[in-house]
Amino acid sequence: AQKITQTQPGMFVQEKEAVTLDCTYDTSDQSYGLFWYKQPSSGEMIFLIYQGSYDEQNATEGRYSLNFQKARKSANLVISASQLGDSAMYFCAMRGWNNQGGKLIFGQGTELSVKP
Amino acid sequence: DSGVTQTPKHLITATGQRVTLRCSPRSGDLSVYWYQQSLDQGLQFLIQYYNGEERAKGNILERFSAQQFPDLHSELNLSSLELGDSALYFCASSVGRESGNSPLHFGNGTRLTVT
Repeated sequence: AQKITQTQPGMFVQEKEAVTLDCTYDTSDQSYGLFWYKQPSSGEMIFLIYQGSYDEQNATEGRYSLNFQKARKSANLVISASQLGDSAMYFCAMRGWNNQGGKLIFGQGTELSVKP
Repeated sequence: DSGVTQTPKHLITATGQRVTLRCSPRSGDLSVYWYQQSLDQGLQFLIQYYNGEERAKGNILERFSAQQFPDLHSELNLSSLELGDSALYFCASSVGRESGNSPLHFGNGTRLTVT
């Protein structure tokens, strides 16, 4: 079975500073993918960044980067230069490449608040 | 805009009733997924359809059923509704059956309130 754990229910960060949102995962699959999504208060789910288990380099997308440590089974999201619009819920998710469909398993989420 | 369309946006109904939620996937996507989001359970995977066939099943109650039609739109039917079914229901889509490194693209959700 796959499991995603996000241990920070809520976090605060000052505008323009960097913040790290933690995510650890558990899986028996040899190949898998890790995803981060943002859910603003308006409710939609926005895809941010993807990391494959065999990718040697950490993924980056603009101000988002993923600190992937395979041995520790962690996939932390780093947001640089935080903006007020980054205030939202952030979900870590994974998909096993195990021929059991394309579903994503989500963590409980971290609520990020950016202070001006 | 993800390209995934869900209707209606809001639904208020009484216990014991039946409702149907509708989803149109992104153009070109063959897989449709249904998720339930509630405060106590978080985001729970319900079911996946690929090109009209059920592909994977998650924590979907027997009172709930879904289907995907030849035009690839999908419907989620919820019956004998209970107060605990109140939640945000998301539809998502992706290109393939297993989808590999492709993200799921989510609709804006249907907010269901059971009174």
